[in-house]
Amino acid sequence: EAGVTQFPSHSVIEKGQTVTLRCDPISGHDNLYWYRRVMGKEIKFLLHFVKESKQDESGMPNNRFLAERTGGTYSTLKVQPAELEDSGVYFCASSQVGNYGYTFGSGTRLTVV
Amino acid sequence: GENVEQHPSTLSVQEGDSAVIKCTYSDSASNYFPWYKQELGKGPQLIIDIRSNVGEKKDQRIAVTLNKTAKHFSLHITETQPEDSAVYFCAAGSGSARQLTFGSGTQLTVLP
Repeated sequence: EAGVTQFPSHSVIEKGQTVTLRCDPISGHDNLYWYRRVMGKEIKFLLHFVKESKQDESGMPNNRFLAERTGGTYSTLKVQPAELEDSGVYFCASSQVGNYGYTFGSGTRLTVV
Repeated sequence: GENVEQHPSTLSVQEGDSAVIKCTYSDSASNYFPWYKQELGKGPQLIIDIRSNVGEKKDQRIAVTLNKTAKHFSLHITETQPEDSAVYFCAAGSGSARQLTFGSGTQLTVLP
C-alpha cells in the first residue's frame, strides 16, 4: 500500500510569493488532515477534510491559506502571499473513517525568505 | 481548547537503559492518546496509542500508561537501542475523526 505522498519535499520562496503544497492520501482514506510544525515547536492542526468537504478548519491561521480537496482525492494547500512566519514543515495525514490512527506523509519544508 | 504539555524536551540514555516521556493534557473530554515517532527526514509514525477506557498498553519494548484522574500519560521504552533515537510526540484527541493536539516533542538520543 502506497503511503501518504507530499510534494514538494522542500520549497524556498520569497516573502510575498505564492506556494502550493500537494498531498496524495492513501487510497480509500476519506479523512485528510493538514498540520504544521513551526520552529521546532508542537505540531499544530490546520484543517480536516472528509472526502471533499471541510469538516474543521479552525486551525487555519488566516485567509492567506487556502486548502482544497477536489473530488475527494488529493489535496492542495496554497499560501498567498507568503510571510516569513509561514516557514515550517507542513504535514498531511490521512485515515479511514472510523479509524483513530493517522498515517502521516513526510512533510513539505517551507522556507520563506 | 486542549493543551498538551510534554517533558522532557531532550533525553539521552545509554543503550539498554529505559526511557520515559511524560505528557499532561487539559481537556477531560479527550479520550484518545497516540504516540508518534519521527525520524530525520520522515513524517511522524504512529507507534502506540491508548484510549481512555484502558490504563496501560504494551507492545514489545514500548508501553503507554494513562492516568485519567491526573490527566497524564507516559511512554516507556525499555532496553533502548540506537535505532530508537528520534523525536517522539504525544498527542490527545476526542473521537476517531477529530483533530489531535500534539505536545512539543522529545528528542531521544540513545548512546551506544
